[in-house]
Order: sequence, then C-alpha cells, then structure tokens
Amino acid sequence: GAVVSQHPSWVICKSGTSVKIECRSLDFQATTMFWYRQFPKQSLMLMATSNEGSKATYEQGVEKDKFLINHASLTLSTLTVTSAHPEDSSFYICSARGSGRISSTDTQYFGPGTRLTVL
Amino acid sequence: QKEVEQNSGPLSVPEGAIASLNCTYSDRGSQSFFWYRQYSGKSPELIMFIYSNGDKEDGRFTAQLNKASQYVSLLIRDSQPSDSATYLCAVNIITGQGNLIFGKGTKLSVKP
Repeated sequence: GAVVSQHPSWVICKSGTSVKIECRSLDFQATTMFWYRQFPKQSLMLMATSNEGSKATYEQGVEKDKFLINHASLTLSTLTVTSAHPEDSSFYICSARGSGRISSTDTQYFGPGTRLTVL
Repeated sequence: QKEVEQNSGPLSVPEGAIASLNCTYSDRGSQSFFWYRQYSGKSPELIMFIYSNGDKEDGRFTAQLNKASQYVSLLIRDSQPSDSATYLCAVNIITGQGNLIFGKGTKLSVKP
C-alpha cells in the first residue's frame, strides 16, 4: 500500500528553538498533504492542508506564522514549529493524499508521527 | 457544520466475539467512507474504505454502508486482543478540498 514516512520520529528541544518535521510519500505523488496534532488521550486535530506548490490552508485557531508549512514537491511537505514552547509539545502526524496506481484520489495515508517535547 | 459521530466507548468484547463499531455522518453528499485503526501512541492506519451501499468484506473486517440512513459501521469477527485500539471513522466532504472529516473514535477493548 501507500507509504508515508516522517522524520524525525521524536525530538526534544529547548523552549524558543525551531523544529522542522519532514513528511514524505514514498511510493506515490501526494498532491495534498495534511498536518494533524494529537494531545494525549484526545482526538486528531487538523492543523492545515497543503497542496503542492501553493500556500497551506490553516484551520481556525492555528497560527500560520508559528506553524510554517512548505509543500515544495509532490513527495515532500515540511512543518516547522517556530519558537517552540512547552505547550507545543504534542504528537504531530502528517497524512498524504494523491494520485497514482497505489493511492486512490481521496484516501489519506498517515505517516508514523513525530513526538515533540519542548523543555 | 459537517460532523461525524462515533460512540467514544470503551466498547468491551470477549475474545472471539464480533465487535460492532458504528458511525453516523451529517453530510448527505459524502461519497467516501473510511475506517482507521489507531493503537495508543501510534498514528492511524487505514483498515478499509467503502463507497457503495451494502457490505464490503476484507478478512475479519466488514464495512457496512447505508447512505439513506447516513450510517456506516465496521464489524470485526473473531475479535482478538490485538484488535484493541481506537477506531476512527472518516467521511469525505464534497465541498472545498474534499478533505476527510474524522470522528473522535471508538475505543475497543478485546478481553482474553
């Protein structure tokens, strides 16, 4: 099936630093990628939707200047958490939707997630 | 506002029994329906999708769709302790970018 990878799988950083998380579709072209955040024992929360080559669409309440998203190619999207603070500590998960013989056009395939801890 | 509703559970079934997970959705125009499984501390993984009314079987899993009632379900036969997880129902929305709307998930516990 369609495979989505994320890197790093976990990261610990100091308050005030920036962290970049990569999301890659390995065997299909991801025309759209999604970024989610999930706090312990809570449901998935969509942060933003990005289409290759265009600006991301952020959900209400998500600061676009704090969570920078770049979807520069059909296989790579990045999320940068700028000036991270302890309240940004969470599980960040990307998903990808695309075209091709493996991925149907509206199915989302999730990456394994990145656990961010801000000290 | 488009919504997907699931009973949060926990749903507890004995090993070997059939687990029945239910989901209702508000957007009558939705065309695609998905079930994901999420183990604690892990990301969701796709179990199956269904587009047409009726049943779709894949191994021990059967998805059932009734568009008239705006209802989709997932049956797990011969439940195993390894099936213990949170099951997320997702439905596409036909406006905008056609994104999926996720339910909050039903936690399933299969007791040995």
